[in-house]
Amino acid sequence: AQSVTQPDIHITVSEGASLELRCNYSYGATPYLFWYVQSPGQGLQLLLKYFSGDTLVQGIKGFEAEFKRSQSSFNLRKPSVHWSDAAEYFCAVGALGTGFQKLVFGTGTRLLVSP
Amino acid sequence: DVKVTQSSRYLVKRTGEKVFLECVQDMDHENMFWYRQDPGLGLRLIYFSYDVKMKEKGDIPEGYSVSREKKERFSLILESASTNQTSMYLCASSLDRLGNTIYFGEGSWLTVV
Repeated sequence: AQSVTQPDIHITVSEGASLELRCNYSYGATPYLFWYVQSPGQGLQLLLKYFSGDTLVQGIKGFEAEFKRSQSSFNLRKPSVHWSDAAEYFCAVGALGTGFQKLVFGTGTRLLVSP
Repeated sequence: DVKVTQSSRYLVKRTGEKVFLECVQDMDHENMFWYRQDPGLGLRLIYFSYDVKMKEKGDIPEGYSVSREKKERFSLILESASTNQTSMYLCASSLDRLGNTIYFGEGSWLTVV
């Protein structure tokens, strides 16, 4: 069965420093991959998605992610973190069932930004 | 912009009560979902629906049911609420069955006492 692992529960980054959030997936076919961000008390907002093609995907708010099939990874990066990026980040894989896609989520990584 | 609206943001219910969580989307999406979010567990799929009056069980359907009488509305029902159903519930929708982005509502915080 498909699964997603986000090995870091919490990460603290200084404002202005670079960020990388890790995501590993397990899925038999070509995956659809997503990163979502959740601010406190809010729903999930899509940051970026990978369906096919270029393995480096650009998203909103200056985020990017790179799909590496050989490592089964889809890590999220940002070159310079802002205090407003403090939130919880979820990686997800779109799993095709019987002609239907549903999302399987990782457990999330909470990003703290220090001054 | 896609709008997924969950009418109740915060609810407090008693054990044994019947609870309705309502969700409406305004983009004519075929598919709608209910997820439950718990700390350390991420989001888990409760039920989804790919058409009016159609529903399918997700990964954790026990203790829940759903209703989809109109395309834009998808309701989650707790027939007899229990304390272990205290959680954040997220509704979502997507345009079609394959590969399109899933959009989320802001969530409903349910506390069962």
